[in-house]
Amino acid sequence: AQSVTQLGSHVSVSEGALVLLRCNYSSSVPPYLFWYVQYPNQGLQLLLKYTSAATLVKGINGFEAEFKKSETSFHLTKPSAHMSDAAEYFCAVSVNFGNEKLTFGTGTRLTIIP
Amino acid sequence: DAGVIQSPRHEVTEMGQEVTLRCKPISGHDYLFWYRQTMMRGLELLIYFNNNVPIDDSGMPEDRFSAKMPNASFSTLKIQPSEPRDSAVYFCASSSPAGTDTQYFGPGTRLTVL
Repeated sequence: AQSVTQLGSHVSVSEGALVLLRCNYSSSVPPYLFWYVQYPNQGLQLLLKYTSAATLVKGINGFEAEFKKSETSFHLTKPSAHMSDAAEYFCAVSVNFGNEKLTFGTGTRLTIIP
Repeated sequence: DAGVIQSPRHEVTEMGQEVTLRCKPISGHDYLFWYRQTMMRGLELLIYFNNNVPIDDSGMPEDRFSAKMPNASFSTLKIQPSEPRDSAVYFCASSSPAGTDTQYFGPGTRLTVL
């Protein structure tokens, strides 16, 4: 079965610093991969997704992620952190195309230090 | 589009009472998902529907939980009788069958069982 592992349940970075949130996946077939963001007291919102086109995917709010098959990774990055980036981030994988089911990671809480 | 709509946003009830959570998916979406989020267990998929038919209910914790989707624009998640350990945020999400597997989440219902 497909799965994702998010390394680090809490990450803190200084405002203006690089944001790097790690996600590794396990799948026997080429996956679709997603990053979602959850702001306090809100539902999850799609940041970006990889669906076997370009390996470098750009999303909203300046985030991007790179699919690396050799490393089974899909890490999320942003060059310069902003205070408004403070939230919880979830990586997710789908391999059963057409049934729309996603498997989510355990989440990484990002804190921005002023 | 109004997005996924959930009601109520907050529910406080006493142990043993029946609780009904409601969801209206995005128009045209034919997949609907119910999730539960807690600090201890993270985000759990409870059940999902395709074209109003339950496809996978393996995540439903026990017989006290039931879900229905009587038509394409409405779904309910019922807990009867409720217990304190059911306290959580319950999310509804919907997606379209365009092969993208992208889910759109509602704002959630925060349930507190006293």
